[in-house]
Amino acid sequence: RKEVEQDPGPFNVPEGATVAFNCTYSNSASQSFFWYRQDCRKEPKLLMSVYSSGNEDGRFTAQLNRASQYISLLIRDSKLSDSATYLCVVNYGGATNKLIFGTGTLLAVQP
Amino acid sequence: EAQVTQNPRYLITVTGKKLTVTCSQNMNHEYMSWYRQDPGLGLRQIYYSMNVEVTDKGDVPEGYKVSRKEKRNFPLILESPSPNQTSLYFCASSLVGDKGSYEQYFGPGTRLTVT
Repeated sequence: RKEVEQDPGPFNVPEGATVAFNCTYSNSASQSFFWYRQDCRKEPKLLMSVYSSGNEDGRFTAQLNRASQYISLLIRDSKLSDSATYLCVVNYGGATNKLIFGTGTLLAVQP
Repeated sequence: EAQVTQNPRYLITVTGKKLTVTCSQNMNHEYMSWYRQDPGLGLRQIYYSMNVEVTDKGDVPEGYKVSRKEKRNFPLILESPSPNQTSLYFCASSLVGDKGSYEQYFGPGTRLTVT
């Protein structure tokens, strides 16, 4: 079983749609959780951190469910510019600061 | 501008010819790391460094070496590259906290092809 699992997609949605991605992780001791965005052949960039209480940044909402060990990302009012791969990332914390990456979910927003 | 730089950005080489990919950050970050990204496998950690002269293996260290003689630089060395090391490589850096909650900043990537 992969440590961080995501549906690879692609998710093809029209502009203006709401789309949600889920991600599950296997290590219950994980400390920190993130969504990174990666455009084609470019470096990953932090989209948002994910907190237990849930957090929102404009059109983006992230949720963490520690009991079920999953993380979600909701994008409202999708824009063409949202087309990218969304990486679910988990940090075990502690001495290694190690990030575990999911393989990503591809989102394609259609005009 | 705060950034992580990598060089070269693209490299085509032959099996067995030693190469070094440089990585430098200007944010005074303690932590630096190298990843490789392959289709269907996501990003996998090769080596990481918690500070100067402190390095350790990640998940896929075989065939790679690193050094951390200065805080800002973390070069990746392939002593004898092989075709299975053809990949997209990313260097990253961050601050260090006890819960690993700091954002990692990534370099632009180095696309390596070994023939």
